[in-house]
Amino acid sequence: SAVISQKPSRDICQRGTSLTIQCQVDSQVTMMFWYRQQPGQSLTLIATANQGSEATYESGFVIDKFPISRPNLTFSTLTVSNMSPEDSSIYLCSAAPAGQAQYFGPGTRLTVL
Amino acid sequence: AQKITQTQPGMFVQEKEAVTLDCTYDTSDQSYGLFWYKQPSSGEMIFLIYQGSYDEQNATEGRYSLNFQKARKSANLVISASQLGDSAMYFCAMRYLQGAQKLVFGQGTRLTINP
Repeated sequence: SAVISQKPSRDICQRGTSLTIQCQVDSQVTMMFWYRQQPGQSLTLIATANQGSEATYESGFVIDKFPISRPNLTFSTLTVSNMSPEDSSIYLCSAAPAGQAQYFGPGTRLTVL
Repeated sequence: AQKITQTQPGMFVQEKEAVTLDCTYDTSDQSYGLFWYKQPSSGEMIFLIYQGSYDEQNATEGRYSLNFQKARKSANLVISASQLGDSAMYFCAMRYLQGAQKLVFGQGTRLTINP
């Protein structure tokens, strides 16, 4: 299994500000994934982050709004920029170390006022 | 494109009974994996069980088993001897084993175990 940590675990932010979420995996992984879960909804993939290359964004998500860094094989950050109340969600990072299972961090619960 | 369907928005089960959570999927690919996750009210996503499309045996992990019927494109989760702590949201997900290995999720089933 893999241990994935995220911080912060939760935050309350003012509209117009930005928040950077950090994700750390306890082993090296090729791909890391960032998901959003809006209240009462399922998980939706924001982007896939590969080390050494630009992140690949899903339809409806853009780099200016959700810039991602992937400086090494165990770490990634997601920034939620120019936040509005609609960005209030749980943000989860995920990785699949060697093997088939895919694991998630504990999530960051974001509230935008 | 992948699509996952969970037709049960909510289920209520008596403690110690077995429960089956339904999941069907749609894909034209032959190489894929199916996952089940549990999400308690804390929000974390807990990996429960995995089934590969080429696995001949149904996956089992403790009280969890996956009833995989490839021809029907279904991957139901069976929880035996349910416990109060099993109350949570349960998500079925699918991932291609080649290319962009992203998970696509169903809408989830909220399971409530009654004492």
